[in-house]
Amino acid sequence: GAVVSQHPSRVICKSGTSVKIECRSLDFQATTMFWYRQFPKQSLMLMATSNEGSKATYEQGVEKDKFLINHASLTLSTLTVTSAHPEDSSFYICSAGNRYSTDTQYFGPGTRLTVL
Amino acid sequence: QKEVEQDPGPLSVPEGAIVSLNCTYSNSAFQYFMWYRQYSRKGPELLMYTYSSGNKEDGRFTAQVDKSSKYISLFIRDSQPSDSATYLCAMSALIKAAGNKLTFGGGTRVLVKP
Repeated sequence: GAVVSQHPSRVICKSGTSVKIECRSLDFQATTMFWYRQFPKQSLMLMATSNEGSKATYEQGVEKDKFLINHASLTLSTLTVTSAHPEDSSFYICSAGNRYSTDTQYFGPGTRLTVL
Repeated sequence: QKEVEQDPGPLSVPEGAIVSLNCTYSNSAFQYFMWYRQYSRKGPELLMYTYSSGNKEDGRFTAQVDKSSKYISLFIRDSQPSDSATYLCAMSALIKAAGNKLTFGGGTRVLVKP
């Protein structure tokens, strides 16, 4: 299957700082990338959909100014959590797909964010 | 009512048993069905995908779709302790799920005991 990586795998930061998470498709070009967050023992919650070269589409209730998404190339999307607070602590997972060549989406390994 | 319902478990089975998982859905527009496995603190890993009613087999895994009943299943034969994980069903209203939003079930936690 297709391979998606995320970096960093874990990050601890102080309240008020910004954190950038990278999502890369390693062996295919991703026309679309998705960002999810997941709380313990809960399912994935879609935050936003990112198409290469376009602005991200955010789900209802997700603050676009707080969670900045950039999908500048077909292999890289970034999620920046601005002015992070403890309630932003969560597991952030990206997925990627190519609507012309892959049947579905493939997930990255996730990034655990802890805001102190 | 959620669009996709999945029993949270936990489902505990002895090693070697068949694990039976299922999801029901309410949106008849769903056309593409997937099963993901997620180990603790890891990203989901795609196990199976299908877009037609009937069975699809891959090794120890069999995915079953019944669109008339809006019901999908995943069977794991000869279960191993390494199969202990959370299993998520996911669905898409469009055939090419690669570029479209997926709707997930809540996940079923499975524990295979040696």
